Amino acid sequence: SQTIHQWPATLVQPVGSPLSLECTVEGTSNPNLYWYRQAAGRGLQLLFYSVGIGQISSEVPQNLSASRPQDRQFILSSKKLLLSDSGFYLCAWSLWDQYEQYFGPGTRLTVT
Amino acid sequence: QKEVEQNSGPLSVPEGAIASLNCTYSDRGSQSFFWYRQYSGKSPELIMFIYSNGDKEDGRFTAQLNKASQYVSLLIRDSQPSDSATYLCAVPNQGGKLIFGQGTELSVKP
Repeated sequence: SQTIHQWPATLVQPVGSPLSLECTVEGTSNPNLYWYRQAAGRGLQLLFYSVGIGQISSEVPQNLSASRPQDRQFILSSKKLLLSDSGFYLCAWSLWDQYEQYFGPGTRLTVT
Repeated sequence: QKEVEQNSGPLSVPEGAIASLNCTYSDRGSQSFFWYRQYSGKSPELIMFIYSNGDKEDGRFTAQLNKASQYVSLLIRDSQPSDSATYLCAVPNQGGKLIFGQGTELSVKP
């Protein structure tokens, strides 16, 4: 069966510091991968999605970036965090030909 | 731009009652619909999906789709306090993406 991992689970970072969040999927090949952000009490905002290695589409212009160095690895990065980057970051995967998405446990980021 | 609308709630029902959660969508061409449950502080979990008009049942959960009226509902029978969560509706968008509603918070009172 497929599993999805995210780390770290929680993170507290000062404004202006860099960020790297990692997501890995096991048990499937060539998945679609997604990064979402959920601000407190808000809905899901799609940040990036990827249909293959090195293929990244950005949904919202911001100071975040994403990379997919391996088939089942998705990384979210920032060079300098802003206060507004605080939130719950969720990675999700889907089979390449299906819409159902499955979420990882998430990373709760607090920028201070 | 496709839109998915949900009442934010909170929807409060007594234990054992039927909880009815509704979702409307703007794109008449939408073919499939997904319901996610999100407990406080946790990630969303897929609980139901429906592709065709009518009802789809899975245990205490029933998804109802009415394409003519462009709404999809989730009914939870014999509601339990453990069903208290936010329920997110989602519809597909181009490129394998999903558009999520804002979610409806459900509270089941013992």
